[in-house]
Amino acid sequence: EPEVTQTPSHQVTQMGQEVILRCVPISNHLYFYWYRQILGQKVEFLVSFYNNEISEKSEIFDDQFSVERPDGSNFTLKIRSTKLEDSAMYFCASTPGNRNYGYTFGSGTRLTVV
Amino acid sequence: KQEVTQIPAALSVPEGENLVLNCSFTDSAIYNLQWFRQDPGKGLTSLLLIQSSQREQTSGRLNASLDKSSGRSTLYIAASQPGDSATYLCAVLGGSEKLVFGKGTKLTVNP
Repeated sequence: EPEVTQTPSHQVTQMGQEVILRCVPISNHLYFYWYRQILGQKVEFLVSFYNNEISEKSEIFDDQFSVERPDGSNFTLKIRSTKLEDSAMYFCASTPGNRNYGYTFGSGTRLTVV
Repeated sequence: KQEVTQIPAALSVPEGENLVLNCSFTDSAIYNLQWFRQDPGKGLTSLLLIQSSQREQTSGRLNASLDKSSGRSTLYIAASQPGDSATYLCAVLGGSEKLVFGKGTKLTVNP
């Protein structure tokens, strides 16, 4: 069964450093997403991406965040200057774009900011 | 603004018991509802997807129902096993492309 692949599985970074989280969505999917889950809290939406541009973003997704699809397969989330409160599990997801199909999520990247 | 609530927050049952997990949402204008399983420190595994026009979906020992008008869904797990121990998340897709999640029900099935 097709999978969404995320790397790395765990990243530790110092406050103020830039991090890039990487995802390979399912190949024939058209919509890509980033969600995050702070420990003990709900999974929350960050951003959706379609046709090489952001289609929707949440209040969390401020100027410190950016997304990119640098080639035909990768989808990245960059955090420019990490803060302690950015520590969370970050999930990438993709969908075909047809609401008859559900989301497929990756296994996540645990980001720890120290 | 859509809010999703899951009750109970945690549930502990003996092996073999049938159980029901509940999910409620405040805005009934949804396209679909998806149930996920999350193991500790792991990703989200999709279990069942119910479209807004459907009443239920089944997969093996799992059955999910949807009552859109009352804003409720249930996940029924038959003959529970220790391997079913995980957190179960409910998420709804509304007018935008984003899923709104509940906080989950942490299930422990004791041998």
